[in-house]
Amino acid sequence: GAVVSQHPSRVICKSGTSVKIECRSLDFQATTMFWYRQFPKKSLMLMATSNEGSKATYEQGVEKDKFLINHASLTLSTLTVTSAHPEDSSFYICSARRQAGQPQHFGDGTRLSIL
Amino acid sequence: SQKIEQNSEALNIQEGKTATLTCNYTNYSPAYLQWYRQDPGRGPVFLLLIRENEKEKRKERLKVTFDTTLKQSLFHITASQPADSATYLCALSEWGNKLVFGAGTILRVKS
Repeated sequence: GAVVSQHPSRVICKSGTSVKIECRSLDFQATTMFWYRQFPKKSLMLMATSNEGSKATYEQGVEKDKFLINHASLTLSTLTVTSAHPEDSSFYICSARRQAGQPQHFGDGTRLSIL
Repeated sequence: SQKIEQNSEALNIQEGKTATLTCNYTNYSPAYLQWYRQDPGRGPVFLLLIRENEKEKRKERLKVTFDTTLKQSLFHITASQPADSATYLCALSEWGNKLVFGAGTILRVKS
């Protein structure tokens, strides 16, 4: 199997709060993890690519100081949304991949709502 | 510009029929293409991967074709069931790196 666990599934918090989202590959080692954002009825938009032990590569237009990514082990990556504002409200989804050329396996997403 | 296009309108079919979903791309040279299923409020679930040198792949009731000349992939679900109702996403990678997703097609299978 290829199970990816994402936590929490839902967060509601006040503007200015920092929120951390965890992504774990439970039964495989993921050399690469990805973070996506999805708006209602829209496609998944890649935010950043994270390789274990190295700095994340961010897509154009994604603020790296706003969305902090850490990939400290082959089974865990975290995304921290710093000083969140209402415009950061969205559905954030992580994925993990064993190696290049293989499928990505996704977590169930985190619904972030900033009041 | 680069584009991945899937039918924006929902596909409604009767139970037992074959559902066919289309994915067209422009200005990409994909090394492989993947199909995912996504249910509301959930993350995508991997279904099939097909490489640029493969014409067709099958898995149980699912079949995907890949035509690099037409720049098109077709995804078929035979003997469709109401439980197959979901959004189906096409995604491609030019090699080894990131996936680029289409917006998805909603499939509704009615009993």
